[in-house]
Amino acid sequence: EPEVTQTPSHQVTQMGQEVILRCVPISNHLYFYWYRQILGQKVEFLVSFYNNEISEKSEIFDDQFSVERPDGSNFTLKIRSTKLEDSAMYFCASSGVWDTQYFGPGTRLTVL
Amino acid sequence: KQEVTQIPAALSVPEGENLVLNCSFTDSAIYNLQWFRQDPGKGLTSLLLIQSSQREQTSGRLNASLDKSSGRSTLYIAASQPGDSATYLCAVLTQGGSEKLVFGKGTKLTVNP
Repeated sequence: EPEVTQTPSHQVTQMGQEVILRCVPISNHLYFYWYRQILGQKVEFLVSFYNNEISEKSEIFDDQFSVERPDGSNFTLKIRSTKLEDSAMYFCASSGVWDTQYFGPGTRLTVL
Repeated sequence: KQEVTQIPAALSVPEGENLVLNCSFTDSAIYNLQWFRQDPGKGLTSLLLIQSSQREQTSGRLNASLDKSSGRSTLYIAASQPGDSATYLCAVLTQGGSEKLVFGKGTKLTVNP
């Protein structure tokens, strides 16, 4: 069964460093998403991506965040200058049109 | 602004019991509602998707119902097993062109052998 994959599973970084989180969505899906979950809190939407551009973003998704689909299979989230409060589990998801969103296993980001 | 609430926050039951998890949402203009399972430190596994035009969906021992007008959904788990222990999340996709799922905080279920 097709699944969304994410790498790395755990990333530790120093405050102020750049990180790139990687995702491989399900191959025939058209919509791609990033969500995050701070420990003990709700899962929060960050951004959606369709047709090679951002289609929607939340207030959290400020200028330090960017997304890219560098090739036909990968989807990345870049955080330019990490802050302590960026520590969270980051989930990638993909879907067809107005359909079930399938989530990856997540990347746990720890900012020291 | 859509808000999703799940009650109870935690539930502990003996094995074999039937149980109901509740989800409510403030804006009834939804496109669909999804129930997910999350194991500790893991990703989200989609369990059921209910479109706004549907009243319920079933998968094995799981049955989810939707009452859009009252802003409620329930997840019924029959004959619970220790392997069902996890956090169950409800999420809605609101109408109006938004593609984002809005999540509840979840119900942490423990099924005791």
